[in-house]
Amino acid sequence: AQSVTQPDIHITVSEGASLELRCNYSYGATPYLFWYVQSPGQGLQLLLKYFSGDTLVQGIKGFEAEFKRSQSSFNLRKPSVHWSDAAEYFCADLITQGGSEKLVFGKGTKLTVNP
Amino acid sequence: EAQVTQNPRYLITVTGKKLTVTCSQNMNHEYMSWYRQDPGLGLRQIYYSMNVEVTDKGDVPEGYKVSRKEKRNFPLILESPSPNQTSLYFCASRRVFNEQFFGPGTRLTVL
Repeated sequence: AQSVTQPDIHITVSEGASLELRCNYSYGATPYLFWYVQSPGQGLQLLLKYFSGDTLVQGIKGFEAEFKRSQSSFNLRKPSVHWSDAAEYFCADLITQGGSEKLVFGKGTKLTVNP
Repeated sequence: EAQVTQNPRYLITVTGKKLTVTCSQNMNHEYMSWYRQDPGLGLRQIYYSMNVEVTDKGDVPEGYKVSRKEKRNFPLILESPSPNQTSLYFCASRRVFNEQFFGPGTRLTVL
């Protein structure tokens, strides 16, 4: 079955430290990949997306992600984390299924930022 | 402003009392979906719609109904809510092969 795996349920980093959140997808010769962020009590906001082209994509809030086909990965990175980045992060893959499309989400990684 | 709106944002009800959560988008998107979010289970799709009058089951459709009579609206109906439907619900919309926009969420408690 098609799936998106986020191996880390919870990550804690110190403010100012670098961050990498992992995401692996299992479907798609041509994956359409997204990262969303959910702040406490909020809905989901798109951070960035990859459809094709440059494998390093830039997003909002200083985030970037790198698509690596050989590793089936789409990891999210930020060079220096701010306290306001504490949130839950979801990776997603848009797949075609039975003539329609489906956005498959990972189970999320919760980020805690220590002062 | 481009957005997905949901109402109500918070709802406490009792078992068996029918309820409807409304969802509306102003971006002329073809696809609309409903998700529920539960701790440890992530986002699970309940129903989706590819266009007006075209709906299909997602991963957890039991106990829910939807309709898509207009392109902008996609209400979620719980005809006989049960406590296991206590959850955080999100409506979302998008164009074909494009990013998805989410509503702010509806926190439902069924007593």
